[in-house]
Amino acid sequence: RKEVEQDPGPFNVPEGATVAFNCTYSNSASQSFFWYRQDCRKEPKLLMSVYSSGNEDGRFTAQLNRASQYISLLIRDSKLSDSATYLCVVNRPGFQKLVFGTGTRLLVSP
Amino acid sequence: DVKVTQSSRYLVKRTGEKVFLECVQDMDHENMFWYRQDPGLGLRLIYFSYDVKMKEKGDIPEGYSVSREKKERFSLILESASTNQTSMYLCASNKAGASYEQYFGPGTRLTVT
Repeated sequence: RKEVEQDPGPFNVPEGATVAFNCTYSNSASQSFFWYRQDCRKEPKLLMSVYSSGNEDGRFTAQLNRASQYISLLIRDSKLSDSATYLCVVNRPGFQKLVFGTGTRLLVSP
Repeated sequence: DVKVTQSSRYLVKRTGEKVFLECVQDMDHENMFWYRQDPGLGLRLIYFSYDVKMKEKGDIPEGYSVSREKKERFSLILESASTNQTSMYLCASNKAGASYEQYFGPGTRLTVT
């Protein structure tokens, strides 16, 4: 089983739509969780950290479900500029290393 | 403004050549990383350094070595480049501790012919 698994997509949505991505992780001892965003031909950048209680940043909401070992990202009122690949990232316990999912591609159309 | 720079955006090398990829960060970060990114495989960790002259193998270290002589600089070396090392190489850095954000450089697209 992969350490971090994501649906590669693409998710095609119209502007204004709400879209959600899920990600599962295999190591129950992981403690740090993130969503990174990667634009085409660019480097990944942190979108948001994911906290146990869930957290929101504007139109973006991240949730963590430890019992089922999955992380979600909800994007409300999608914008054209949200088109990107979203990477689910989890720490490897006992090491200062992160494991990156292969990413979910989002395409927002007019 | 935080910054990670990489020596080249694009590089073309021949099979068997020795290749040096340089990465410099200006944030006084303890940790530095080298990843490669391939379609369908995502980012995979090649090597990691948590201090000057310290290094740890990542998930795919074969065919690569690294050097960290100064805190701000982390070099990736391909001793004898092969075509299966054609990839996007990304350098990253962060403060000590996995909970800290990793900052990435713009990447080097290496083609080995």
